Amino acid sequence: KNEVEQSPQNLTAQEGEFITINCSYSVGISALHWLQQHPGGGIVSLFMLSSGKKKHGRLIATINIQEKHSSLHITASHPRDSAVYICAVPTGNQFYFGTGTSLTVIP
Amino acid sequence: KAGVTQTPRYLIKTRGQQVTLSCSPISGHRSVSWYQQTPGQGLQFLFEYFSETQRNKGNFPGRFSGRQFSNSRSEMNVSTLELGDSALYLCASSLSGPPGYNEQFFGPGTRLTVL
Repeated sequence: KNEVEQSPQNLTAQEGEFITINCSYSVGISALHWLQQHPGGGIVSLFMLSSGKKKHGRLIATINIQEKHSSLHITASHPRDSAVYICAVPTGNQFYFGTGTSLTVIP
Repeated sequence: KAGVTQTPRYLIKTRGQQVTLSCSPISGHRSVSWYQQTPGQGLQFLFEYFSETQRNKGNFPGRFSGRQFSNSRSEMNVSTLELGDSALYLCASSLSGPPGYNEQFFGPGTRLTVL
């Protein structure tokens, strides 16, 4: 049983498309993280949110604590958005990660 | 401000050997967490150190250990290496708080290959 489930696993989009990545979790949390990992391994923290919505440039993250669900949206996608997107939830003294969504944006 | 640094970046070892990886956090950050990433298991939390004390620990065998120094630099040690230990090992630092309760800043990782 996975504490964090992401969908889809793989996603290919045309440049300019609106993209949604979903994350569901089964544990009680106070915050959820969205991370971005580019080829080569480096991980960047995109968002940490505990309620509502956050926006940073073309990226929007939402969370519904009652439904235990979060979404990451990318508006006007660009080839440089190609990466693996990972959601992660801390609970107690553990930190659980989703398996990631591999996004490829084609010019 | 310099980011999180990890050394070495690449490492090749043989089964049965031991290995030590190093992580230097962002200046002022007191929490350092370690993670293992493999194609099969994805990212998994190893442990977290804060003020030279292990504060949180994931579900890994005792062969995986670590420590933190007074300057917040951290080392991770894996003894009696197994083939399955081949992975990307990432560390992340944050100002304080358990892993995940504050924004985490990740290092570039150390890619360990066990032959």
